[in-house]
Amino acid sequence: ETGVTQSPTHLIKTRGQQVTLRCSSQSGHNTVSWYQQALGQGPQFIFQYYREEENGRGNFPPRFSGLQFPNYSSELNVNALELDDSALYLCASRGTSGRDTQYFGPGTRLTVL
Amino acid sequence: QQQVKQSPQSLIVQKGGIPIINCAYENTAFDYFPWYQQFPGKGPALLIAIRPDVSEKKEGRFTISFNKSAKQFSLHIMDSQPGDSATYFCAATKGTGNQFYFGTGTSLTVIP
Repeated sequence: ETGVTQSPTHLIKTRGQQVTLRCSSQSGHNTVSWYQQALGQGPQFIFQYYREEENGRGNFPPRFSGLQFPNYSSELNVNALELDDSALYLCASRGTSGRDTQYFGPGTRLTVL
Repeated sequence: QQQVKQSPQSLIVQKGGIPIINCAYENTAFDYFPWYQQFPGKGPALLIAIRPDVSEKKEGRFTISFNKSAKQFSLHIMDSQPGDSATYFCAATKGTGNQFYFGTGTSLTVIP
């Protein structure tokens, strides 16, 4: 088991609503990335935060936003939910040792009705 | 556009067999190629990774073969076991690794 935790485990929302997902990084990790994994697909990069600043973003609209806190925990916010936002949302944290130390959390399963 | 293409989509082997999963990429700037294993209800876990300066890397029963000129890499699982049944993802990244590009995954079933 990695030290990355996510909450909630499952979530059901309706179209147009807003959602906040949370991630607690592994101890000592200062970089957090968020990924969206649709059913039967590989994870797609949403964005990355390093020391509370966004320092990389994938091909996702602005209604996907995030925050990283001084303790390196992170939030993913999605506004104006659409049916296609239904997916597993994964958080991955990484330490200063580089790419080899990226560890994923178990994910939050979001269903949009 | 899929930056990393993975095949096959699914694979069934007998216990002890050697499943092989293949990936191909186009971006020659990629310089780190990890493989992840994902069980149902869990996040992906790093299995093994390779850099393009070597053609093969082995860790336990898992081997990556890398062909830089063909821009292809593959995962071999030796002496496969039912516990290896999972979904496997290849990925690629470059530089400091801000963004990992994942393949579409291969669902492996190892029959006892």
